[in-house]
Amino acid sequence: EAGVVQSPRYKIIEKKQPVAFWCNPISGHNTLYWYRQNLGQGPELLIRYENEEAVDDSQLPKDRFSAERLKGVDSTLKIQPAELGDSAVYLCASSYRGIRTTEAFFGQGTRLTVV
Amino acid sequence: SQQGEEDPQALSIQEGENATMNCSYKTSINNLQWYRQNSGRGLVHLILIRSNEREKHSGRLRVTLDTSKKSSSLLITASRAADTASYFCAPERGQNFVFGPGTRLSVLP
Repeated sequence: EAGVVQSPRYKIIEKKQPVAFWCNPISGHNTLYWYRQNLGQGPELLIRYENEEAVDDSQLPKDRFSAERLKGVDSTLKIQPAELGDSAVYLCASSYRGIRTTEAFFGQGTRLTVV
Repeated sequence: SQQGEEDPQALSIQEGENATMNCSYKTSINNLQWYRQNSGRGLVHLILIRSNEREKHSGRLRVTLDTSKKSSSLLITASRAADTASYFCAPERGQNFVFGPGTRLSVLP
């Protein structure tokens, strides 16, 4: 069974440029998460989707970040324009949430460097 | 903070020894997950323990949960150099898993 797939693995952009990350969750998982992880810290939740609905985006900096999950499967996270402080690893995770929550599995992440 | 807080922040042991990491949290939870992250890599899921469970095992891993103390522990027995990584607990707060800063474990050969 394929795990959570993210692309690209690495991205280097100049500040003020746009950037997008893509995530394909595990088949059948209705819940999708985007996290950001800074060096030496734990992941911080940016947004959580239940199917195609963003049910928690309270930590998403909405002035420059946007996300979508079309048809409740794949998701993209976009930053426009990027700032130096956005350099981090962006992680996507998925799980199945029904009567009981199952484990959340993570992709390998996209390491973003803004120069 | 309502996130998990791991303790200690860093731990260094010899190969073959046991490693114990602790996690504390502030609010009631439904589940708690433990993850491992090798340097520069993604998070690997280790164990999910539910609020009505007290202990779970997986190979050399043992996780306990004490909801009265709002704490969990991860025990790695007979550690190996390959266990060197950062370990995170993620209590489920609301319907989100919230991570702490992690414990950096170094297993010396």
